[in-house]
Amino acid sequence: GNSVTQMEGPVTLSEEAFLTINCTYTATGYPSLFWYVQYPGEGLQLLLKATKADDKGSNKGFEATYRKETTSFHLEKGSVQVSDSAVYFCALLNNAGNMLTFGGGTRLMVKP
Amino acid sequence: KAGVTQTPRYLIKTRGQQVTLSCSPISGHRSVSWYQQTPGQGLQFLFEYFSETQRNKGNFPGRFSGRQFSNSRSEMNVSTLELGDSALYLCASSFPPSGGNPRDTQYFGPGTRLTVL
Repeated sequence: GNSVTQMEGPVTLSEEAFLTINCTYTATGYPSLFWYVQYPGEGLQLLLKATKADDKGSNKGFEATYRKETTSFHLEKGSVQVSDSAVYFCALLNNAGNMLTFGGGTRLMVKP
Repeated sequence: KAGVTQTPRYLIKTRGQQVTLSCSPISGHRSVSWYQQTPGQGLQFLFEYFSETQRNKGNFPGRFSGRQFSNSRSEMNVSTLELGDSALYLCASSFPPSGGNPRDTQYFGPGTRLTVL
């Protein structure tokens, strides 16, 4: 079956540091890939997505590139802010388009 | 456009009771999915409905059930509650899916926090 593995947290960074959160997946076919963010007490917000190999998703300074050769979708941001502190989830959508499989989540803490 | 709404936001029940959670999708979205989030198991897929039909189901016991109405609103029901059912239940909606289509993106509601005592 499908699976997503992402680096365990927490990841603690100083403001303006570079962020990388690793995500790798196992799936049949060509799934769409997503990053969601969850702030305390809230649901999941879509951060970015990529629907085919070599696509780059980007939003709010975050980027991730769909790498089929390495089955990866690593999240990056050049300069994090305190407001980026949250839990980040990598996910893939099955071929039928009706089920997301999530990684375990990575908690990011950004200190001023 | 209004987002996905879920009611109630918080629930406290006791073991053995049953509970019904409600989800209203984004206007025009016809697919509704449900997920359970717990600290131990993370985010797990419960089931997905499209045009009032359950199209996919996760690995949960039969105590977990759902349905979708003609206006795409969905409910999920948990009977004979157990302590382990305490979780955040998230609903997500999407436009009619087709594999690999960007419209497949699932948009989540704020969740219902269920506590079983």
